[in-house]
Amino acid sequence: GQNIDQPTEMTATEGAIVQINCTYQTSGFNGLFWYQQHAGEAPTFLSYNVLDGLEEKGRFSSFLSRSKGYSYLLLKELQMKDSASYLCAVRQYTGGGNKLTFGTGTQLKVEL
Amino acid sequence: DAMVIQNPRYQVTQFGKPVTLSCSQTLNHNVMYWYQQKSSQAPKLLFHYYDKDFNNEADTPDNFQSRRPNTSFCFLDIRSPGLGDAAMYLCATSKTSGDTETQYFGPGTRLLVL
Repeated sequence: GQNIDQPTEMTATEGAIVQINCTYQTSGFNGLFWYQQHAGEAPTFLSYNVLDGLEEKGRFSSFLSRSKGYSYLLLKELQMKDSASYLCAVRQYTGGGNKLTFGTGTQLKVEL
Repeated sequence: DAMVIQNPRYQVTQFGKPVTLSCSQTLNHNVMYWYQQKSSQAPKLLFHYYDKDFNNEADTPDNFQSRRPNTSFCFLDIRSPGLGDAAMYLCATSKTSGDTETQYFGPGTRLLVL
């Protein structure tokens, strides 16, 4: 099975930087994804890591350490519209293909 | 624009009355997924189609069925909805081989059971 842990909620200030952590335990690890989900909407893809290191994409960066079972999502220059839930999802290779398992999400609130 | 479309966006049904949710995609992806997401919870995979091959999750209730008549369309049938089946149902697609196999989600159908 899989176990994915991320903080339930975080609060940050507009213009600041916030780091959302995710730890996981899994067999057959085959990549880690971060999704953003606004209330009542579908998850939207933010980033993907399969090798150790940092992936940067504009204001968003994601880091992975496979040996530690650890990832983080870094959001810079926070904007009010960044208030959303951020879902960490681990892809696991199974006999029938790849399977994605989501964490319960970190609710980020950006304040003035 | 290529996308994943779900209809309807909101569905109200009665306890025990069969309901069908639909998903279509213009991405030409070979894998389609159905997830159930309840309030403040993670999306939970119900099943997926890898091309025409159906893959059911072990803990998906028999009440939930799926059909994929062609590459573009996939349906979720709930044979006898209970109050506990009220949730957001998300359809997602991905393409195997050659890329990261990122899953792209439709806007979801919110199901209310009365």
